[in-house]
Amino acid sequence: EPEVTQTPSHQVTQMGQEVILRCVPISNHLYFYWYRQILGQKVEFLVSFYNNEISEKSEIFDDQFSVERPDGSNFTLKIRSTKLEDSAMYFCARSGGASDTQYFGPGTRLTVL
Amino acid sequence: AQSVSQHNHHVILSEAASLELGCNYSYGGTVNLFWYVQYPGQHLQLLLKYFSGDPLVKGIKGFEAEFIKSKFSFNLRKPSVQWSDTAEYFCAVHSGTYKYIFGTGTRLKVLA
Repeated sequence: EPEVTQTPSHQVTQMGQEVILRCVPISNHLYFYWYRQILGQKVEFLVSFYNNEISEKSEIFDDQFSVERPDGSNFTLKIRSTKLEDSAMYFCARSGGASDTQYFGPGTRLTVL
Repeated sequence: AQSVSQHNHHVILSEAASLELGCNYSYGGTVNLFWYVQYPGQHLQLLLKYFSGDPLVKGIKGFEAEFIKSKFSFNLRKPSVQWSDTAEYFCAVHSGTYKYIFGTGTRLKVLA
């Protein structure tokens, strides 16, 4: 199964601080996604990204969140001013097409204190 | 709104027991269906998927799932579980937009 790597594996931050989570897809897939999983809850879709544009986003993905692929390789999720409720596991995923299977990374556990 | 329901939140089985995990979704159109597994401390891994064709799909590690359109269900089965199957199992639906909609997950514990 093609791989996705995510860094860091665990990020601890203070409330109000900015965090950047990174995803490095090891393939030439063009569709990227961020999901999050709050402890004990279901995996929730945040955003999809294709051709350097957001193609779909959820209600969770408000102005505090942004995504970009600055160097054509890393795909990043930025949270501008973290809140306690942003504590979750964040998963990056990628696929070869909009309808293709999505492959997930190992996740970044974000803890906001 | 689209949703996915997994009714079994925690399941405990002994080794060699048979497994069936329920998954129901609410969407009237064409769907792609998935089961993912998350072993402790690891990422989501694809177990199997259904796009079209034979409604009985076979996945890795002896798992299979049956798509029953009339029941909006995609239940996961395994005839004989092993201790190494201890994990959390997620059903997901993809219905034409970009996002997957996940169920709440089922934690399976297999006793050796």
